[in-house]
Amino acid sequence: AQKVTQAQTEISVVEKEDVTLDCVYETRDTTYYLFWYKQPPSGELVFLIRRNSFDEQNEISGRYSWNFQKSTSSFNFTITASQVVDSAVYFCALSEARGSQGNLIFGKGTKLSVKP
Amino acid sequence: KAGVTQTPRYLIKTRGQQVTLSCSPISGHRSVSWYQQTPGQGLQFLFEYFSETQRNKGNFPGRFSGRQFSNSRSEMNVSTLELGDSALYLCASSLETTHTDTQYFGPGTRLTVL
Repeated sequence: AQKVTQAQTEISVVEKEDVTLDCVYETRDTTYYLFWYKQPPSGELVFLIRRNSFDEQNEISGRYSWNFQKSTSSFNFTITASQVVDSAVYFCALSEARGSQGNLIFGKGTKLSVKP
Repeated sequence: KAGVTQTPRYLIKTRGQQVTLSCSPISGHRSVSWYQQTPGQGLQFLFEYFSETQRNKGNFPGRFSGRQFSNSRSEMNVSTLELGDSALYLCASSLETTHTDTQYFGPGTRLTVL
């Protein structure tokens, strides 16, 4: 069965610290897609990144970077030099190729608080 | 380009009533999915629509239903409301239904059942 685990429920850091949010997934499919979404207090989920199972290249976008390791079924997200505006709940999600694209399986989320 | 809009944003109902929530996707998007978000269960998939057809349904009772119109707008309906239906209901739209299409979410409708 497919499952996404975000073991860190809440993380609190001080501005400018680096922080890594962990995501571990389970799937029997060989083709799948992984996502990270950000949910600020306003409630709207904001898309951050999509990665397919055949692309294990790490990605960097500004202060954000993602580390995808199939060997450990992990897709971790690092924020470098965190800022107060990064405070939000972050969700990791999985979509299997044999399932419908609209059915995202989400982890429980990690609430990140960045204090000034 | 306008994002996904959901109406109403907030709703208070009593047990036993029914409710209809509306979602207008981004212009040109033909796929709409609905999710329920609660503190206990997190984000759970409700259903997915494409071209007025339900493509997939999550593990929810039959009290939860939905539909999509020819202009891609979607509604979801919950009948005989229960206290446990209190949640944030999120709608997401995407261009098509391939896995390379990103789902863009609306701000949600917060439903409170008293």
